[in-house]
Amino acid sequence: EVLLVESGGGLVQPGGSLRLSCAASGFTFSTYAMYWVRQAPGKGLEYVSALSSTGGSTYYANSVKGRFTISRDNSKNTLYLQMGSLRAEDMAVYYCAKDRMGYCSSASCYPADALDIWGQGTMVTVSS
Amino acid sequence: EIVMTQSPATLSVSPGERATLSCRASQSVSSNLAWYQQKPGQAPRLLIYGASTRATGIPARLSGSGSGTEFTLTISSLQSEDFAVYYCQQYNNWPRTFGQGTKVEI
Repeated sequence: EVLLVESGGGLVQPGGSLRLSCAASGFTFSTYAMYWVRQAPGKGLEYVSALSSTGGSTYYANSVKGRFTISRDNSKNTLYLQMGSLRAEDMAVYYCAKDRMGYCSSASCYPADALDIWGQGTMVTVSS
Repeated sequence: EIVMTQSPATLSVSPGERATLSCRASQSVSSNLAWYQQKPGQAPRLLIYGASTRATGIPARLSGSGSGTEFTLTISSLQSEDFAVYYCQQYNNWPRTFGQGTKVEI
């Protein structure tokens, strides 16, 4: 079974930091680009960041650029999101998601498709 | 940034009826358009990619159409499990962007 399981959410003060993890299983993690998408309470979906299969290419929403860092450890089948300088508007459920197919060169696979597998999400609360 | 606009915000329909959801992009996204379904407390689920290709396990009563800037998701005969929020998303340009969602309610 293809599965993504997020962890690491919790309560953090404004200006604080948090690292989210996403453990993947059931597919060859190292050959797929991956995403983080968030959803504030009662709101719609918002793209946060994406990463190529090797981790060499990263993509960020303007709202998190310079504050968040996406990374992966293919030996551990795990995706990460390091979040810093957290603000109230960062409070949301954070989902990791797998790129369906992507664009692959000899070097890497790049995010270029829909998101076909999603985790159950982890809640990040930013409050003093 | 490409803005995705969905209409209507809420669609009230009866079981067995047809539902038509619209999604408009502020500039062309070719056919790089996906539709997702989300139920309360659950993660989104991919329904359609490439504007018109059903994802694995998605029933034939759901269909997608369109290209460029105008897209449609049609549910031919609504079943109880179809009442949910639907999002469109473009993956043609960075940053990826989602529509604000259409809630399909009874």
